[in-house]
Formats: sequence, structure tokens, C-alpha cells
Amino acid sequence: EPEVTQTPSHQVTQMGQEVILRCVPISNHLYFYWYRQILGQKVEFLVSFYNNEISEKSEIFDDQFSVERPDGSNFTLKIRSTKLEDSAMYFCASNREASTAKNIQYFGAGTRLSVL
Amino acid sequence: KQEVTQIPAALSVPEGENLVLNCSFTDSAIYNLQWFRQDPGKGLTSLLLIQSSQREQTSGRLNASLDKSSGRSTLYIAASQPGDSATYLCAVNQAGTALIFGKGTTLSVSS
Repeated sequence: EPEVTQTPSHQVTQMGQEVILRCVPISNHLYFYWYRQILGQKVEFLVSFYNNEISEKSEIFDDQFSVERPDGSNFTLKIRSTKLEDSAMYFCASNREASTAKNIQYFGAGTRLSVL
Repeated sequence: KQEVTQIPAALSVPEGENLVLNCSFTDSAIYNLQWFRQDPGKGLTSLLLIQSSQREQTSGRLNASLDKSSGRSTLYIAASQPGDSATYLCAVNQAGTALIFGKGTTLSVSS
């Protein structure tokens, strides 16, 4: 069964460093998402991406964050200068269509980001 | 602003019991509602999706209901098993993109 894959599974970085989290969405999906989950907290929406541009973003997704689809398969989340509070599990998700009641978002296994 | 609440936060039951997990949301203008399972340190597995026009969905031992007008959904698990132990998350989709999640119910089923 097709799945969303994320790499790496765990990323450790020093505060102030740039990190890139990678995702390969399901191949025929058109909408891509990033969410994060701080330990013990709710899963929070960061950004959605369609047709090579951001379609929606939350207040969490500030200028330190960016997303890109550099080729036909990868979808990346970049954090320019990491802070301690960026430590969280980051989930990528995708679906084929967004604006219908039938759409299911499929999630990857996540990347655990630890900022030291 | 949409808020999603799940009660109870944690639940412990012996194997074989039927149980109900609750989810409530403040804004009834939703496209759909999804129930997910999350194992410790793992990703989210979609269990059931209920469209806004539907009242319930079933998959195996799971049955999810939706009462949109009252802002409530329940996930019913029949004949619980130790393998059902996980955190169950409820999420609503309002405008077609972002999912808004509850904090989850952590279920522990003892053998």
C-alpha cells in the first residue's frame, strides 16, 4: 500500500543551525502538509502546499520556516535557525484532493527533531 | 476559532470490554472528521473518516458516529484487545486543508 515516507526519523541539531526535513508524499497526491507535535501536546497544523505554492499556513509558520517541492517526488520543510522550542515531532501528510468531504490525509511516521 | 476536545484523557480497561471515546468540537461547519491511532513515538494511522453528511462509519470492531449539529463524535471499540492500546486522536477538517486535532485519549487494555 502506498505510504508517505519521511527522513530522517530522528534529527539532532544545535540551536541556531538550519535543518531540512524531507518527505516523499504518495505519488498521485496533489496536496501536501506539515504538522508538528510538541511532546505531550496536540498535533498542530503548520502549512499546506498545492500547485507549487503555499495554500494555507498557521501563525506558527513564521519567517524561520519554508517549504519546497524541489523535484517531482520530494517535499521539504526547512527551519533556518532552530530554537529550543522547535524540538518536536514533525509529520508530513498528503492527499489527492482537499476541498471535498471525502479526502483523507495520510501521514508519515514523522521526524523527531531535537534542538540542543 | 475551532477547538477540539477529547475526553477522557486516559482510559484503562480489561480485555474484552466495549468502550467509547468522545470528541467534541465548537464549530459545526466541518467538511469531515477523522479518527486516528498513534502508537508511542510513532506516526498517525487513519482509522475512520466520517463525511459531514454521514452519521456513522464502521471498520471491523470500530464504529464512529457523528452528530454535527451538537458538535460531537464518538469512537466505539468493541471487544477491546491489548493490541488496541494506543492514543486515539480526533481531528476535524473545516475549510478543506488543515486538520484541527484534539489532544487524544490514551487507551490501555490489560490482558
